Amino acid sequence: DTGVSQDPRHKITKRGQNVTFRCDPISEHNRLYWYRQTLGQGPEFLTYFQNEAQLEKSRLLSDRFSAERPKGSFSTLEIQRTEQGDSAMYLCASSGGLGGEQFFGPGTRLTVL
Amino acid sequence: RKEVEQDPGPFNVPEGATVAFNCTYSNSASQSFFWYRQDCRKEPKLLMSVYSSGNEDGRFTAQLNRASQYISLLIRDSKLSDSATYLCAVESSYKLIFGSGTRLLVRP
Repeated sequence: DTGVSQDPRHKITKRGQNVTFRCDPISEHNRLYWYRQTLGQGPEFLTYFQNEAQLEKSRLLSDRFSAERPKGSFSTLEIQRTEQGDSAMYLCASSGGLGGEQFFGPGTRLTVL
Repeated sequence: RKEVEQDPGPFNVPEGATVAFNCTYSNSASQSFFWYRQDCRKEPKLLMSVYSSGNEDGRFTAQLNRASQYISLLIRDSKLSDSATYLCAVESSYKLIFGSGTRLLVRP
């Protein structure tokens, strides 16, 4: 399977714990995006990378959130001191074509108790 | 006002019906537009890119109206398997801005 992959698929954690998610994009894609989706809403942009450079961060991305893409391949999204409001589906997407189409991974569903 | 707006539905239609969804956007500088399909608890899957001249893929037709700042998706001869949420997305400086989605239910 050469699509976008994400790990883990599900994460249940207690409030105050730190969590880290991983995304592996389609191999030839140089842009990688993180989105968050809650029930009944469309995905909301969090941040994106072009190769290893983080080019934009949403105001949604508080200082408890950090993302990296150290070698321009996979990316990690870390949430420190999780809060119940962080419960959501965290989606990763990648793109590389001229048309800008983004292809999504299966997501990581986070539940903060 | 949201940057991208969609009627949440649900649209409840019989098999074989034709159904159309509209999506309005506020950023007149946007250049790329997309329709995604999302099944319950799954990731969005790209359905179609939307081009200025309009484009068709089988039973699906997408159109762009820049003057009125909306995009549309037409589904002909609806199938039970078309039941899903349809998300429109507007590109803004590489990132996508999504609407909240329109839910479609196709009944036998």
